[in-house]
Amino acid sequence: GAVVSQHPSWVICKSGTSVKIECRSLDFQATTMFWYRQFPKQSLMLMATSNEGSKATYEQGVEKDKFLINHASLTLSTLTVTSAHPEDSSFYICSARGGAGNQPQHFGDGTRLSIL
Amino acid sequence: EDKVVQSPLSLVVHEGDTVTLNCSYEVTNFRSLLWYKQEKKAPTFLFMLTSSGIEKKSGRLSSILDKKELFSILNITATQTGDSAVYLCAAERYNNNDMRFGAGTRLTVKP
Repeated sequence: GAVVSQHPSWVICKSGTSVKIECRSLDFQATTMFWYRQFPKQSLMLMATSNEGSKATYEQGVEKDKFLINHASLTLSTLTVTSAHPEDSSFYICSARGGAGNQPQHFGDGTRLSIL
Repeated sequence: EDKVVQSPLSLVVHEGDTVTLNCSYEVTNFRSLLWYKQEKKAPTFLFMLTSSGIEKKSGRLSSILDKKELFSILNITATQTGDSAVYLCAAERYNNNDMRFGAGTRLTVKP
């Protein structure tokens, strides 16, 4: 149980392109999903918290117009990196948490984004 | 400012050794302390600790939380090469239920 699917796993695209990453909870309903960014050999940095049916809460320093988050259903959240530039290249990971009780976050496999 | 500090940052041991990984935290609205193992891709969940002094075990891994000293340890006994990974601890907060991660401990187990 508690499987989180993230797609795509790897994206290479040109500068200026917008890229959409999907995060799905496959066998549970996720009232809250989280988006992280991880640079090589560094830890996970929380970018934003996504609650179903409401606006995402962004961490300080994360541009909400750059990283658009939509959580339209209890099993799907999307992160769109708009007009991506080489400095946006990174490993993006989502996690999902079920609403009932004291449940841990479970992570997707991540998306490696490379902007040329 | 919230912070989660792990030590050591890296550790090299031989198969069969026992290791102890440390995690200290200072986080507002603390709810629980979680341990994850990260190999090539995304972290996999190991333990979630909410109460002080209650050890959680899973095979050769065990963990305990001290909420008075704001500290947790992860023990791995009889290490195997498959234990080689980055071990992350994270402090989860109330309100958003978001997590603040430590920098991780990179464990290498040599045959």
